[in-house]
Amino acid sequence: QQQVKQSPQSLIVQKGGISIINCAYENTAFDYFPWYQQFPGKGPALLIAIRPDVSEKKEGRFTISFNKSAKQFSLHIMDSQPGDSATYFCAASSLTGTASKLTFGTGTRLQVTL
Amino acid sequence: NAGVTQTPKFRVLKTGQSMTLLCAQDMNHEYMYWYRQDPGMGLRLIHYSVGEGTTAKGEVPDGYNVSRLKKQNFLLGLESAAPSQTSVYFCASRGQGPYEQFFGPGTRLTVL
Repeated sequence: QQQVKQSPQSLIVQKGGISIINCAYENTAFDYFPWYQQFPGKGPALLIAIRPDVSEKKEGRFTISFNKSAKQFSLHIMDSQPGDSATYFCAASSLTGTASKLTFGTGTRLQVTL
Repeated sequence: NAGVTQTPKFRVLKTGQSMTLLCAQDMNHEYMYWYRQDPGMGLRLIHYSVGEGTTAKGEVPDGYNVSRLKKQNFLLGLESAAPSQTSVYFCASRGQGPYEQFFGPGTRLTVL
């Protein structure tokens, strides 16, 4: 059962362009929505995260937009750079007991071309 | 401060063989997790632990066992490997407060 749906599967953006990745979730108990960035051969690393009481969060060129009523959130990468080429995963956390398990989307492979 | 480390980095097994993957963290984190990553499927939780001596099943636990005898270590075992267990395995840990999980570099396992 896919509780977090992510699109697109892959994305090619020119340098300086805007990259947009979308995610949708089903479980209204989710209370934390992070984005992880993964470079080839490395483990994922937290990029930016948002709580459901905030509609937008910006850190440098990276912005999360959150729509609680639609149960959707998205990652915007402004002025995309070749160094941003990586796989991006959205995730959602549900507090089950004390574990705060993460449910991941299927990932988006971003390629930023010159 | 090494963060989260995983041993080994690569391994090739034959069907039916057994092996143990080791995860170690030096951040004094309570929570530890094992994931598998397969193309087009994201990261799926295998087992997790909320503290020393505890373990619990995740989304895809069948064919795997885990142990957390020491707080800093989380072991993932495959008793009888199958080709369907060919994957990249990631370990992660988290502290008490923030939700952020810190991931290791991964173990690429191939089962022939």
